[in-house]
Amino acid sequence: GAGVSQSPSNKVTEKGKDVELRCDPISGHTALYWYRQSLGQGLEFLIYFQGNSAPDKSGLPSDRFSAERTGGSVSTLTIQRTQQEDSAVYLCASSFRTGGHNEQFFGPGTRLTVL
Amino acid sequence: QQQVKQSPQSLIVQKGGISIINCAYENTAFDYFPWYQQFPGKGPALLIAIRPDVSEKKEGRFTISFNKSAKQFSLHIMDSQPGDSATYFCAAGAAGGTSYGKLTFGQGTILTVHP
Repeated sequence: GAGVSQSPSNKVTEKGKDVELRCDPISGHTALYWYRQSLGQGLEFLIYFQGNSAPDKSGLPSDRFSAERTGGSVSTLTIQRTQQEDSAVYLCASSFRTGGHNEQFFGPGTRLTVL
Repeated sequence: QQQVKQSPQSLIVQKGGISIINCAYENTAFDYFPWYQQFPGKGPALLIAIRPDVSEKKEGRFTISFNKSAKQFSLHIMDSQPGDSATYFCAAGAAGGTSYGKLTFGQGTILTVHP
């Protein structure tokens, strides 16, 4: 279909609560990436999926962060026991394949605010 | 060794002028260098990309210059327009291993083009 979609667009939560962020990649894209963008900072890599498997989880900042992808499509990023330092824009990107470097198409992001 | 350093943090240019943004990297395994453009409230979008086998790539008003020995690359925007006002990110990626497709981003440059 259209581009990468993410939901919700904005999420305000209280410290200690769990949140789930959703990413719908472009249909047919096998690779999916999660990045985090803090205010005034560049994009920080979190995790990458090839199909449903995650060969690279090296960017997850702590064990409070987890992600899954089902059916080779939708991905969910879960943050447990949120902390104020988790406040950021969480961006999802997808690309057609991983053979060679392929353009990553980004969604609009989810702005997470932890009070 | 995974860092990509970007400068300047912000740039103000008059309409019709040349905007120049610089990036430097350390990891010699990087073999893909894209530039992304991000407007407020939107996800980054690929602007132009280069591989280290060429020293320059031009697309319209946008040019990437690449210096492999210095491990530096830059974006030049000719005849800058107010519509170019956005945040620009350089990035670098390395093929192979479990980091296939993962991008390391610079900190971003906020470009303002005055009419």
